[in-house]
Amino acid sequence: AQKVTQAQTEISVVEKEDVTLDCVYETRDTTYYLFWYKQPPSGELVFLIRRNSFDEQNEISGRYSWNFQKSTSSFNFTITASQVVDSAVYFCALSGHNQGGKLIFGQGTELSVKP
Amino acid sequence: EAGVVQSPRYKIIEKKQPVAFWCNPISGHNTLYWYLQNLGQGPELLIRYENEEAVDDSQLPKDRFSAERLKGVDSTLKIQPAELGDSAVYLCASSLGSLGTDTQYFGPGTRLTVL
Repeated sequence: AQKVTQAQTEISVVEKEDVTLDCVYETRDTTYYLFWYKQPPSGELVFLIRRNSFDEQNEISGRYSWNFQKSTSSFNFTITASQVVDSAVYFCALSGHNQGGKLIFGQGTELSVKP
Repeated sequence: EAGVVQSPRYKIIEKKQPVAFWCNPISGHNTLYWYLQNLGQGPELLIRYENEEAVDDSQLPKDRFSAERLKGVDSTLKIQPAELGDSAVYLCASSLGSLGTDTQYFGPGTRLTVL
């Protein structure tokens, strides 16, 4: 069975603070893909990143960075110098190679960045 | 490039009434997904289309839900009759294919309220 756990339901930070969103996954597939999506109040899920199970290199994109560790089945997301516009619900998701693209989502972490 | 379009954005109906949601995927995307998102939860897959064929509808409650994707482009999801528990956001997503490497892009969703 596949499962994604985002233990942090809500996080509140003050602008310019760094914040890390945790994601732990379970899968029996040897080939799988991990995703992060952002859902602002408008409701649309915005794609942020995709990682495959064979690429454990960390990735940085501007203020965003991702830490993928197979040893701990984690794919954590860090926002550096957070801004008010980062306020949203963030979802981690998992897709197995033979699952027809079906995404298994975590419950999401609601991030509130206060000025 | 236009994103995934959904309509209506909001719908309020009385229980036992029928309702339909419409989705226009990104041009050229062969795979279309309908997801259900309950409040405070991550999206869950209802049905996946490859072109006009429903290839995974195992999570679709077929007693009251139906879907179609005519000509392999636009899709309609219908509920008849609606129940109070159907109140949720219905998200449509599309991707080029259904491999794990094919990123899913989501529309803004339709928020359904059943009274």
